Amino acid sequence: EAAVTQSPRSKVAVTGGKVTLSCHQTNNHDYMYWYRQDTGHGLRLIHYSYVADSTEKGDIPDGYKASRPSQENFSLILELASLSQTAVYFCASSDAGTGQLYFGEGSKLTVL
Amino acid sequence: GDQVKQSPSALSLQEGTNSALRCNFSIATTTVQWFLQNPRGSLMNLFYLVPGTKENGRLKSTFNSKESYSTLHIRDAQLEDSGTYFCAAVGDTNTGKLTFGDGTVLTVKP
Repeated sequence: EAAVTQSPRSKVAVTGGKVTLSCHQTNNHDYMYWYRQDTGHGLRLIHYSYVADSTEKGDIPDGYKASRPSQENFSLILELASLSQTAVYFCASSDAGTGQLYFGEGSKLTVL
Repeated sequence: GDQVKQSPSALSLQEGTNSALRCNFSIATTTVQWFLQNPRGSLMNLFYLVPGTKENGRLKSTFNSKESYSTLHIRDAQLEDSGTYFCAAVGDTNTGKLTFGDGTVLTVKP
């Protein structure tokens, strides 16, 4: 079974602070993704990566940075957290561009 | 989103009954994925489909690429089937970027 783990699972941050969400996968997958879910809605893509040391912008990248230091690890960085970034963030991996997606358990971020 | 529209948005079923969820696409897609988000928030894979039909226990899903829709049939609904069902389409085959629908909230009642 695919394994994608996220940390922290829950975080409270202050407006203007820096937040880093981490994701680790043991699937040997090339593709990794960060999605955001707002209450009552589907998931929207923030950033993704298909190779280490390279990241790409998704559909809603503003206010977020991403880092892929290795095949296994993919981080999402909020340099200046804002109230509007309160959401649940999901990391995912897939073995190919059209491959099945495997999600982590999600990280609930509350910005106060 | 508008590119992937799910219906109905909410559904209440009596335990033991059958129903179908639908996903319509306005983007060309080669694959469809269905997920269930349980009440704790975890996303579980249900189906990964190329055009055709797959079945898994009480669930069956069909993807019709020519008519741009997918359906998820639930047979003999159980309480543990409750949650939010999402479909997602690959709009960009180079990147694997999935576009999600807004989900169908299913409540199964005893």
